[in-house]
Amino acid sequence: DTAVSQTPKYLVTQMGNDKSIKCEQNLGHDTMYWYKQDSKKFLKIMFSYNNKELIINETVPNRFSPKSPDKAHLNLHINSLELGDSAVYFCASSQDLGISQPQHFGDGTRLSIL
Amino acid sequence: DAKTTQPPSMDCAEGRAANLPCNHSTISGNEYVYWYRQIHSQGPQYIIHGLKNNETNEMASLIITEDRKSSTLILPHATLRDTAVYYCIVRNGGSNYKLTFGKGTLLTVNP
Repeated sequence: DTAVSQTPKYLVTQMGNDKSIKCEQNLGHDTMYWYKQDSKKFLKIMFSYNNKELIINETVPNRFSPKSPDKAHLNLHINSLELGDSAVYFCASSQDLGISQPQHFGDGTRLSIL
Repeated sequence: DAKTTQPPSMDCAEGRAANLPCNHSTISGNEYVYWYRQIHSQGPQYIIHGLKNNETNEMASLIITEDRKSSTLILPHATLRDTAVYYCIVRNGGSNYKLTFGKGTLLTVNP
């Protein structure tokens, strides 16, 4: 069973469109995250949710809106897609926000903007 | 978070131990050392973490120096599937919700 699963795995779309990426974890974790990996392969955190509550938004544009319907899901909706949004987006989860709790990642969603 | 320094690349022969170094000379007392790896086209995979004691699990061993200014990740018997980018991350208690990834070390295991 996949612990952290993301859909879709690949997403190709036109500039200006709106799209969503879904993430589900079956680990019973309280905390979920979205990370972005750009073309230079740097991984940066975007959002963190704990018990469905937004904990941090790391200076991400308002076009990005995370939604957590329950603790097992954290979806990412992106409005008015731009060329610079092309990247790999990773979802992760951890037991809680504790410093000694490792984060477990999904396999990513590869977003390409035409 | 404390800054980490890793060599950009390393090679290892299959079946031999791979020893990946990491310097974190500005680490403070409440910061953990984490290791992740990213195999091509996959998500980062958690390997191991520690505070001050050496740690071992089914994947690897983590050796932290007594002054905590450096650490070594040891893969005891490297296989071709261990070829990946390995990230050493120092995790701060003040911003404990996130991992700050650097450039990592590309480990290539050769047959």
